[in-house]
Amino acid sequence: AQKITQTQPGMFVQEKEAVTLDCTYDTSDPSYGLFWYKQPSSGEMIFLIYQGSYDQQNATEGRYSLNFQKARKSANLVISASQLGDSAMYFCAMRERDTGRRALTFGSGTRLQVQP
Amino acid sequence: GAGVSQTPSNKVTEKGKYVELRCDPISGHTALYWYRQSLGQGPEFLIYFQGTGAADDSGLPNDRFFAVRPEGSVSTLKIQRTERGDSAVYLCASSLNPPGVRGGSEQYFGPGTRLTVT
Repeated sequence: AQKITQTQPGMFVQEKEAVTLDCTYDTSDPSYGLFWYKQPSSGEMIFLIYQGSYDQQNATEGRYSLNFQKARKSANLVISASQLGDSAMYFCAMRERDTGRRALTFGSGTRLQVQP
Repeated sequence: GAGVSQTPSNKVTEKGKYVELRCDPISGHTALYWYRQSLGQGPEFLIYFQGTGAADDSGLPNDRFFAVRPEGSVSTLKIQRTERGDSAVYLCASSLNPPGVRGGSEQYFGPGTRLTVT
């Protein structure tokens, strides 16, 4: 089974509007972390935001917020006031504590295009 | 400050040849990771170093792949007898703290090395 599922291969949004990128995950580990990364065409992965499984509040970082619904196992990224520079690939990733795996497991990504 | 750097940025090699890919992590970062990203996919884990030792090499696809980090900073990913299926972008990441430590465990990635095996 897929650990991380991103069902939107591509998304369009108008400049200055908000957009939600979907991410669902699968784990039996009670302790885990969820991450979002942005990958522009230059190829570098840029860390955006982190949510821990025991965090009581949804994470926010500037224009980025994470809509964490633990019971549904979803961790959607919300980008407010989209900018042209937000056009990129976006990856959701998870790290589980008890599996012993210390690296991130990534989804297949969503390509976001911001239109003027 | 300086981020994670990787050299070369592009590498074209013939099938069967040996290649080395270099990663220079952020100064002071103890954890270093290698990932491989195929076209249209998310990165896939290869190996993780904590200090000089490989703490988890479970993602290496076979024994043609090997990585070292002899002094706990720069790491080299080595691929022997390259195959066309090895063509991908190889990403390196580092983090200040080991994973599992709440603060400073987010991974910072380099720009990658695009490997093409002809």
